[in-house]
Amino acid sequence: KAGVTQTPRYLIKTRGQQVTLSCSPISGHRSVSWYQQTPGQGLQFLFEYFSETQRNKGNFPGRFSGRQFSNSRSEMNVSTLELGDSALYLCASSLGTSGAQYFGPGTRLLVL
Amino acid sequence: ILNVEQSPQSLHVQEGDSTNFTCSFPSSNFYALHWYRWETAKSPEALFVMTLNGDEKKKGRISATLNTKEGYSYLYIKGSQPEDSATYLCAFTSSSGGSEKLVFGKGTKLTVNP
Repeated sequence: KAGVTQTPRYLIKTRGQQVTLSCSPISGHRSVSWYQQTPGQGLQFLFEYFSETQRNKGNFPGRFSGRQFSNSRSEMNVSTLELGDSALYLCASSLGTSGAQYFGPGTRLLVL
Repeated sequence: ILNVEQSPQSLHVQEGDSTNFTCSFPSSNFYALHWYRWETAKSPEALFVMTLNGDEKKKGRISATLNTKEGYSYLYIKGSQPEDSATYLCAFTSSSGGSEKLVFGKGTKLTVNP
């Protein structure tokens, strides 16, 4: 079974721009969660989508948004980028029944 | 605000040593406790998901225990090997926060010297 894939792997943007990250879950997984990791911080939960609906949300500003498609693929969008948005963004897929989550390789975003 | 604490922050052991780490989490509204291993340049990999007080899980030389009443979990590694070097993360989910909303600790970074 193919694992979780994320594209792109690396991205450089400037302040004020917007960015879209993509995540393809493991086949059969309907839940996709997004996390942000910055230096000194642990993994911070952004949001979770299940069957195209946002089911859980973390404490991030409205500039962070996401969506999920009917094939369970998910995208995350960050608008009006700030320097502090530079981070590793990980997505994870699961069956959505509180079992283990399977992580992708991440997208490393640098905002200049 | 849910807080998950892990100790120690980092640990250096010799090959063959046994070691253990601690994860502390809120004891109220407990739903599940996850352990992940994150090796450099790889993705976090699930080790265990535990839901019941007193749960003990084992995978090879790694095992974990869970005490939901007092809010802690221990991860044990028996006979550490250099390939065990990684950051070990625990994550808590609450019954009020959503079963897929993982709140992670900052991890314990283990280095096993050959």
